[in-house]
Amino acid sequence: QVQLVQSGAEVKKPGASVKVSCKTSGYTLSAYALHWVRQAPGQRLEWMGWINAGNGNTKYSQNFQDRVTITSDTSASTAYMDLSSLRSEDTAVYYCARDVGQWVLDYWGQGTLVTVSS
Amino acid sequence: QSALTQPASVSGSPGQSITISCTGTSSDVGGYNHVSWYQQHPGKVPKVMIYDVSNRPSGVSTRFSGSKSGNTASLTISGLQAEDEADYSCSSYTSSSTLVFGGGTKLTVL
Repeated sequence: QVQLVQSGAEVKKPGASVKVSCKTSGYTLSAYALHWVRQAPGQRLEWMGWINAGNGNTKYSQNFQDRVTITSDTSASTAYMDLSSLRSEDTAVYYCARDVGQWVLDYWGQGTLVTVSS
Repeated sequence: QSALTQPASVSGSPGQSITISCTGTSSDVGGYNHVSWYQQHPGKVPKVMIYDVSNRPSGVSTRFSGSKSGNTASLTISGLQAEDEADYSCSSYTSSSTLVFGGGTKLTVL
């Protein structure tokens, strides 16, 4: 069965970077786009970007354009989201999600809580 | 990219029907049929309930339906049940080849 398993919770200081991993199983990572979405406490879902692991192409939200990098390692069936220059407003649960096609996110990781605090 | 506009909350009694709106622009909701709806219970992962405006994934109750008119998409839940109480968010593909979510709507079953 399809599973996306994310790395554990992180606590970072302002200005630092965080890298969250998303290990996939039950399907071929390169066959589907993979998105990253975050949700601050009590707030809405916010799209960050996506990667086509088949060719490495990425697209990012303008809200994160200069701070986010999404990569993948198809040999490890794993995608990564790197967010730099962290600030307190980046405290959120970060999700990876598979795009089954037509921008429909059908399987989601369990979420990774990133806390930014001095 | 601004978030799509949804009502903050809606409520209904068991057995009733409710509709949640999702308003965007001609660059997202109005321009494409790639509108989805997600259900999220507290502390849980989002689950897709409707995709491509009005299609239901396998396993989703027929009580859930979607539609679109102009720049506004809608999710209707008929025969409300206690288990439907959750947050609902819409999403849409945009002309910038990105994805945008709505602000989310909290559904309370009275």
